[in-house]
Amino acid sequence: EAQVTQNPRYLITVTGKKLTVTCSQNMNHEYMSWYRQDPGLGLRQIYYSMNVEVTDKGDVPEGYKVSRKEKRNFPLILESPSPNQTSLYFCASSPDIRQHNEKLFFGSGTQLSVL
Amino acid sequence: GQQLNQSPQSMFIQEGEDVSMNCTSSSIFNTWLWYKQDPGEGPVLLIALYKAGELTSNGRLTAQFGITRKDSFLNISASIPSDVGIYFCAGHGSGTYKYIFGTGTRLKVLA
Repeated sequence: EAQVTQNPRYLITVTGKKLTVTCSQNMNHEYMSWYRQDPGLGLRQIYYSMNVEVTDKGDVPEGYKVSRKEKRNFPLILESPSPNQTSLYFCASSPDIRQHNEKLFFGSGTQLSVL
Repeated sequence: GQQLNQSPQSMFIQEGEDVSMNCTSSSIFNTWLWYKQDPGEGPVLLIALYKAGELTSNGRLTAQFGITRKDSFLNISASIPSDVGIYFCAGHGSGTYKYIFGTGTRLKVLA
């Protein structure tokens, strides 16, 4: 089944403890992206990747890192999490965002709480 | 970052009624996508639109790509309880590598 898989689904951690949220897609998509969703603010882009080894900042990149060493994986890294990073996170992928018929597919989300 | 103006923010309707919502942008888009999101779940793609004036249906859902390319509309006919959720739009313009999202319309259907 074609899908975007995020893990973990729920995560509670403490301030300053490094964590990684994994994202994997099995559709051979070139474009992958991370978003956070907060009440009243909608979806905001954290980082995106056009292809392997190509990443760029979105609208709210501070406090996050990403890497794209393989096409299928795009992990989100919080080196030193803080409470303001408590949010619902989504990974998404698209065949090629530069094409005129692209679609964006989302994972099921990771609910992160930083205490 | 830029966000799309989506309205209404929320709707309470009776089962069987039709629903309309829309998104507007200050920029021209080449693609409009409509999603439904259940609480705590990932957005699920409902309809994709790629051409100005395009009208596309998915069951009881119909979406249109506005002629000006700055707006899009979603209609749900004969609503049922499982239509409850948050609907939001996403747009993508040429020469950009990001999608812009609407703030969502929260739909509640009263049986």
